[in-house]
Amino acid sequence: AQTVTQSQPEMSVQEAETVTLSCTYDTSESNYYLFWYKQPPSRQMILVIRQEAYKQQNATENRFSVNFQKAAKSFSLKISDSQLGDTAMYFCAFMNSGGYQKVTFGTGTKLQVIP
Amino acid sequence: NAGVMQNPRHLVRRRGQEARLRCSPMKGHSHVYWYRQLPEEGLKFMVYLQKENIIDESGMPKERFSAEFPKEGPSILRIQQVVRGDSAAYFCASSPPAGYYEQYFGPGTRLTVT
Repeated sequence: AQTVTQSQPEMSVQEAETVTLSCTYDTSESNYYLFWYKQPPSRQMILVIRQEAYKQQNATENRFSVNFQKAAKSFSLKISDSQLGDTAMYFCAFMNSGGYQKVTFGTGTKLQVIP
Repeated sequence: NAGVMQNPRHLVRRRGQEARLRCSPMKGHSHVYWYRQLPEEGLKFMVYLQKENIIDESGMPKERFSAEFPKEGPSILRIQQVVRGDSAAYFCASSPPAGYYEQYFGPGTRLTVT
């Protein structure tokens, strides 16, 4: 079974600074998908960024980028120019390839952006 | 295109009552997933359904919980004889029919058992 580990329960960052959230996972599969989801106080799950394991290039979405290290099974999220609206829980998630699979989530990192 | 809809958003039930949670997937989506989020935890997979079929219910408790996705109408997650430990946020997600991997989440239903 796949597992996803987020070792930082809480983090804080000053507004406009950069922060990196860590995630490691365990799988015996060679192809899969990785995601970062944001959950603000409204509890809506919002997809921030996705990475396909067969792609070596790290995914980027505006201020959000990942550092995907397949051999190390590491998938960290970097948030640049942090904004107050980035305050939320962030969940790292894993899904086997082929679609129509359950998503396995980590326990989350609570990020507080300080003005 | 409306997103995934869930209702009610908040549901309060006394111990022993039944809870029915509804999920309407995005238009054109025929695959529905239910997840449960206990307080201070991540989301845990419960069940995956297609129209009129349960595909994977490996995360569903064997007692008191059931799910359906009929040909017409929303998907229903039903919890019979609720207990305090069922208090959680229940999320529904949907994905399109043609080999697509992204799941779109609804806003969740927060169930409180008193």
